[in-house]
Amino acid sequence: NAGVTQTPKFRILKIGQSMTLQCAQDMNHNYMYWYRQDPGMGLKLIYYSVGAGITDKGEVPNGYNVSRSTTEDFPLRLELAAPSQTSVYFCASSHSNLLGAFFGQGTRLTVV
Amino acid sequence: DAKTTQPPSMDCAEGRAANLPCNHSTISGNEYVYWYRQIHSQGPQYIIHGLKNNETNEMASLIITEDRKSSTLILPHATLRDTAVYYCIVSYLHGSSNTGKLIFGQGTTLQVKP
Repeated sequence: NAGVTQTPKFRILKIGQSMTLQCAQDMNHNYMYWYRQDPGMGLKLIYYSVGAGITDKGEVPNGYNVSRSTTEDFPLRLELAAPSQTSVYFCASSHSNLLGAFFGQGTRLTVV
Repeated sequence: DAKTTQPPSMDCAEGRAANLPCNHSTISGNEYVYWYRQIHSQGPQYIIHGLKNNETNEMASLIITEDRKSSTLILPHATLRDTAVYYCIVSYLHGSSNTGKLIFGQGTTLQVKP
């Protein structure tokens, strides 16, 4: 199994551009999460989903949008990129907290 | 969600036990204690979790005080590869009335030294 796959691994955006960070999991997990991690800081929850068609805001949702049309995929959309969105973005999924959450390897995004 | 307090950093000698403390004095009765670690900016890795009883798996042991206001993660024989940031999180179990979202704090940076 591939686990949680994030694409792309690296990306440079210009201010005002838009992009979608992709996240896919092949473990049939209901729960999926998006986090961002600024240099030297902990992870901040952006959005999460408890199942297909259901999403909710986390701690820092402004400037982002998500959708969950399938169990496998949970894309994160950045509209009008700003330098403050320069960060490492992690996607995670879990079936239940009895087994913990699995994280992807991250997408390193730089907005210039 | 209950908040956690962890020391920002700790050192441990290789081969010795690493004991990482966590305070969660506002934890509610249905919240679990989870531990994750993050090695050198990789994606975080789940270690262990518990509700009331002490727990042990192949990676670590989790000791939760009787009043559940604090816990300790124990790595019994720390190696250099255990150098990482360790996060203590309290969260509801999925499927309960709450959604069980995982909120990370700043964590403890554990440096294992030769």
